Amino acid sequence: GQNIDQPTEMTATEGAIVQINCTYQTSGFNGLFWYQQHAGEAPTFLSYNVLDGLEEKGRFSSFLSRSKGYSYLLLKELQMKDSASYLCAVRNRGGSYIPTFGRGTSLIVHP
Amino acid sequence: DVKVTQSSRYLVKRTGEKVFLECVQDMDHENMFWYRQDPGLGLRLIYFSYDVKMKEKGDIPEGYSVSREKKERFSLILESASTNQTSMYLCATVQMAGTGEMEPQHFGDGTRLSIL
Repeated sequence: GQNIDQPTEMTATEGAIVQINCTYQTSGFNGLFWYQQHAGEAPTFLSYNVLDGLEEKGRFSSFLSRSKGYSYLLLKELQMKDSASYLCAVRNRGGSYIPTFGRGTSLIVHP
Repeated sequence: DVKVTQSSRYLVKRTGEKVFLECVQDMDHENMFWYRQDPGLGLRLIYFSYDVKMKEKGDIPEGYSVSREKKERFSLILESASTNQTSMYLCATVQMAGTGEMEPQHFGDGTRLSIL
């Protein structure tokens, strides 16, 4: 089976740094995605990790440790527009592109 | 730019009705998916399709069926709508494997379906 855990909700202050964690227990591993979803909108792709380490994209970075079944999304210099849900998704079915999604973390950025 | 279009943003139907949700993509992707999204439960896979006329059950297929007659269109059908099918429905597409790259899914804007 698959189990993907994320905190339900986090709050942070504008300009600060926030780390959103994702832990997973899956039968096999074939990559981890992070998506951002604003209220009432479609999820949009942020980053993916397939090898251990840190992937940086501007203000957003994502880290993966396959041995620990752990990833985090790091958001720097938070802006009000970063208030959204952040979805962690793990691919564990060999040969397909079907990820399993966590329940998402709702991030609230306040002034 | 990738475009996934869902036919309706909001839809209200009655219990027992047959409901069609349509999704059209313009990227020539082989893979298409239907999810439902509920508070506290996240995205759950209902059905997916690898190719025209091909379909596979996801994690929660009960009460749903799908149709893929053309590559660009993937329809979700609620055979006899029930109140517990009130939800946000999201369509997604992804490019076929073989590129060696980790392709992300592209999502439509969603259809918020209410069954009364």
